[in-house]
Amino acid sequence: SQQGEEDPQALSIQEGENATMNCSYKTSINNLQWYRQNSGRGLVHLILIRSNEREKHSGRLRVTLDTSKKSSSLLITASRAADTASYFCATDASGGYQKVTFGTGTKLQVIP
Amino acid sequence: NAGVTQTPKFRVLKTGQSMTLLCAQDMNHEYMYWYRQDPGMGLRLIHYSVGEGTTAKGEVPDGYNVSRLKKQNFLLGLESAAPSQTSVYFCASSYSLMGQGFYEQYFGPGTRLTVT
Repeated sequence: SQQGEEDPQALSIQEGENATMNCSYKTSINNLQWYRQNSGRGLVHLILIRSNEREKHSGRLRVTLDTSKKSSSLLITASRAADTASYFCATDASGGYQKVTFGTGTKLQVIP
Repeated sequence: NAGVTQTPKFRVLKTGQSMTLLCAQDMNHEYMYWYRQDPGMGLRLIHYSVGEGTTAKGEVPDGYNVSRLKKQNFLLGLESAAPSQTSVYFCASSYSLMGQGFYEQYFGPGTRLTVT
């Protein structure tokens, strides 16, 4: 089963609004990553947050991590039409597992 | 740098045919991965490799084989294609430091495979 589950599955907002997506996971992690996928393309890495970090920023992106709740959120501020894409969280489970597990994604539509 | 490239971009197979998907990376990454993505789903790991000459099974390995003879290449083989293998296949690579988990994965553009 998937380690990460995103919520909501789909989100539609007006340009300029903020978009928040959530990710929940099941086991302890080393780090959590967020990726973006434009339609028909490969995934592009957005941001990585380590298990000992609580918040990280990159441009208009803000990621939080709550390891006690096993959850993370991705906030995109002042959204643009170009942000329309699917967003995936990916977790790297601690304990020696040598792979990253992706969630099912949130499909974001930003309406101009 | 080309990053991660995949060959071919599109392919149509008949049931029972075989084919090999090629992934190449020029970033000297140790780790390479093959995923499949089906409509409305996230990525599911098929096989992965933590170094030249090593491979391991992922979440959905049945019906696929892989080889990593050279560090920069990771091949995915379908010996006898089935309609259930119709999907988009993505290759990715990354590096990792022992004990610090994984760093970002770099993805190829994908191969769209249809099995009729």
